[in-house]
Amino acid sequence: EAGVTQFPSHSVIEKGQTVTLRCDPISGHDNLYWYRRVMGKEIKFLLHFVKESKQDESGMPNNRFLAERTGGTYSTLKVQPAELEDSGVYFCASSQDRGLQLTTTDTQYFGPGTRLTVL
Amino acid sequence: AQKVTQAQTEISVVEKEDVTLDCVYETRDTTYYLFWYKQPPSGELVFLIRRNSFDEQNEISGRYSWNFQKSTSSFNFTITASQVVDSAVYFCALIRRSQGNLIFGKGTKLSVKP
Repeated sequence: EAGVTQFPSHSVIEKGQTVTLRCDPISGHDNLYWYRRVMGKEIKFLLHFVKESKQDESGMPNNRFLAERTGGTYSTLKVQPAELEDSGVYFCASSQDRGLQLTTTDTQYFGPGTRLTVL
Repeated sequence: AQKVTQAQTEISVVEKEDVTLDCVYETRDTTYYLFWYKQPPSGELVFLIRRNSFDEQNEISGRYSWNFQKSTSSFNFTITASQVVDSAVYFCALIRRSQGNLIFGKGTKLSVKP
């Protein structure tokens, strides 16, 4: 079974440019999450999709970030226009279901991340 | 407030030594889940273990063991007879039942020298 994949692995852009990151979750996983790690800080939650719907986008830093998950499959995260402070590693994760039982398999499986550098 | 603290920023040991990585968490929720992830030099986050708040039984998996103590809000991770391949950044994380996102600690960088 293929794991979570992310593209590109690295991206170097100039301030003001646009970048789009892509995440393909594990097949059959309804939940898709985006996280970000800025250098030296914790990995921070950005948003959560359940299928194609945004369940929680409380972690999105500002309106320069736009996430989509058309058809409930892969997701894209667009940064427009990029700023210096957007540099970091962007992780995507997926999980099978939230459920309401204590035994639900909520484990999130992560992709390799996209390292974004804004110059 | 929900928080995960990994007080050890970096640890360096010599191969075959035992090492314990500390994790202390804060949450007001009674139902929550705790995780450990490993980030090797290649960069991906690898899932290691998941525990729920009602299961304080310690777990052992090969050279890895985890000690969950609700009384001290700790979920510590011990590697026995460490190996060079254990060198990585290890993250402890928390999910509350009421919200699905992971709350991470800052990570502990473990270096195992031959």
